[in-house]
Amino acid sequence: KAGVTQTPRYLIKTRGQQVTLSCSPISGHRSVSWYQQTPGQGLQFLFEYFSETQRNKGNFPGRFSGRQFSNSRSEMNVSTLELGDSALYLCASRRDRAYEQYFGPGTRLTVT
Amino acid sequence: GENVEQHPSTLSVQEGDSAVIKCTYSDSASNYFPWYKQELGKRPQLIIDIRSNVGEKKDQRIAVTLNKTAKHFSLHITETQPEDSAVYFCAAGNKFYFGSGTKLNVKP
Repeated sequence: KAGVTQTPRYLIKTRGQQVTLSCSPISGHRSVSWYQQTPGQGLQFLFEYFSETQRNKGNFPGRFSGRQFSNSRSEMNVSTLELGDSALYLCASRRDRAYEQYFGPGTRLTVT
Repeated sequence: GENVEQHPSTLSVQEGDSAVIKCTYSDSASNYFPWYKQELGKRPQLIIDIRSNVGEKKDQRIAVTLNKTAKHFSLHITETQPEDSAVYFCAAGNKFYFGSGTKLNVKP
């Protein structure tokens, strides 16, 4: 079974721009969660989507948003980028009613 | 929300020694506690997990213990090897609040 994939793997943006990241879960997994990983803050939960609905949300500003499509693929969007948004963005998928989640390789976002 | 604290932040051991990493959590409703290993430049990988109805779980050289009363759980790695060198993260709850990570260095 193919693992979780994320595109693009690397991205450089300018402050004030917006960005969209994509995540394709493992086949059959309907839950997709997003995390921000930074050296100083560790792994922080952004939100979780299940069946095209946001099921859980972390403590991030409204500039961070996401959505999920009917094929379970998910996108997250960050508007009005700030320097502090530079991070590795990871998504993870899991089956419904299962706890185990599997991470993608991440998208490295650099904001200059 | 949940608050997960992880200690130590760095741990250096000699090959063959044991390593223990500890986490505490705040939400008594949390019922799932996974541990992830992240090697440099790679994605976090689930290495072991425990549910709240179990006190201990083992998988070869790794084990996890859970004390629900005290709200803490620990990762134990025995007979450490250089390939165990990585950052280890604990997590708690269904929103997967993560600890800050422990960088384990196993010296050959």
